[in-house]
Amino acid sequence: DAGVTQSPTHLIKTRGQQVTLRCSPKSGHDTVSWYQQALGQGPQFIFQYYEEEERQRGNFPDRFSGHQFPNYSSELNVNALLLGDSALYLCASSLDRGRGSLGYTFGSGTRLTVV
Amino acid sequence: AQRVTQPEKLLSVFKGAPVELKCNYSYSGSPELFWYVQYSRQRLQLLLRHISRESIKGFTADLNKGETSFHLKKPFAQEEDSAMYYCALRSGGSYIPTFGRGTSLIVHP
Repeated sequence: DAGVTQSPTHLIKTRGQQVTLRCSPKSGHDTVSWYQQALGQGPQFIFQYYEEEERQRGNFPDRFSGHQFPNYSSELNVNALLLGDSALYLCASSLDRGRGSLGYTFGSGTRLTVV
Repeated sequence: AQRVTQPEKLLSVFKGAPVELKCNYSYSGSPELFWYVQYSRQRLQLLLRHISRESIKGFTADLNKGETSFHLKKPFAQEEDSAMYYCALRSGGSYIPTFGRGTSLIVHP
């Protein structure tokens, strides 16, 4: 089992551009959550997708959007990139919206640099 | 609102010394607490959960509701314990864990 896979691993974009990050959840998981981790900070919740719908959202602007596909994989889209969007973006998968006590399984992340 | 505070950014100890990584939380209900660990060049992974009262790799953590704390402890630190440790809180309603900013543990030989 490859666990949670994210692509790409690194990305450099220019201010104002748009970016799409991808995530494949762990086999058997049906829920995908996205986190932003700035340098020296803990992961900050962006949103969670379950049954192809956004179920919960953190305190992030509408420039951040996402999608979940029927195979449970997910995309995170960020429009009109700002320098402050530079961070490590983590994808975490879980079962049944994470209601269980097993916690999340995290991917290695995508390092986004906005210049 | 729920919040997790890890007051120490860095904790440096020598091998064999006791370790305590502090975590305080604010939440009015009954939270679930977790510790996650990230070793160098590895992904974030779950270390332990308060509800299972388990000991993983010699680490334990007890939920103290009176002090709203969930400190992670190990009696004798090992060099391989060097990593970033994140405390996380999950409320019964949202199932979304809130993370602290993390504590970097360095264990010197």
